[in-house]
Amino acid sequence: GAGVSQTPSNKVTEKGKYVELRCDPISGHTALYWYRQSLGQGPEFLIYFQGTGAADDSGLPNDRFFAVRPEGSVSTLKIQRTERGDSAVYLCASSRSPSGRGTGELFFGEGSRLTVL
Amino acid sequence: AQRVTQPEKLLSVFKGAPVELKCNYSYSGSPELFWYVQYSRQRLQLLLRHISRESIKGFTADLNKGETSFHLKKPFAQEEDSAMYYCALLQGAQKLVFGQGTRLTINP
Repeated sequence: GAGVSQTPSNKVTEKGKYVELRCDPISGHTALYWYRQSLGQGPEFLIYFQGTGAADDSGLPNDRFFAVRPEGSVSTLKIQRTERGDSAVYLCASSRSPSGRGTGELFFGEGSRLTVL
Repeated sequence: AQRVTQPEKLLSVFKGAPVELKCNYSYSGSPELFWYVQYSRQRLQLLLRHISRESIKGFTADLNKGETSFHLKKPFAQEEDSAMYYCALLQGAQKLVFGQGTRLTINP
């Protein structure tokens, strides 16, 4: 497919469980971003990768959240010991940005809706 | 703190009327600002960026550094303009900071 792909589209879990959310960016896009969107709010930055490395993880709320991108393409956002407050739509985006300053044009996926009961 | 403020959560206008979606920002450097749009059942996508100085789907936005604003305008609203609109600020090299969004409804 041509766009950013995210799986699962919906995930319902119980408090305390472990969750993984997957993102497959547009082929050739070196930059990959994770955002979180709570109800009635705009997307909130979590982490950004340039290639395989996390260039900025300042938005991760605490150490229960972790993300990897081992081969510079697919990324996984991992949430340990989930809490009800983690319920949100998790958005992934990618962009060309080979190096230096980004263009600001992000291509978003449809999101993974996480519900923690 | 660098942030983006969209004071209106909801905005409703009639078809053919002018539209203005407000965005204010706080940023210590030279800002780069964007408008993103999310139509019903579609992905969030870029509408326009201030650097391009372009008009997309009849929308324009002018950066006003004195008022720290980047309002989105269209002279004649169309029903297909109904959507969520987010103003965003490029922070550092790569991070976009979004406002909380404005839901625009165009009434027939």
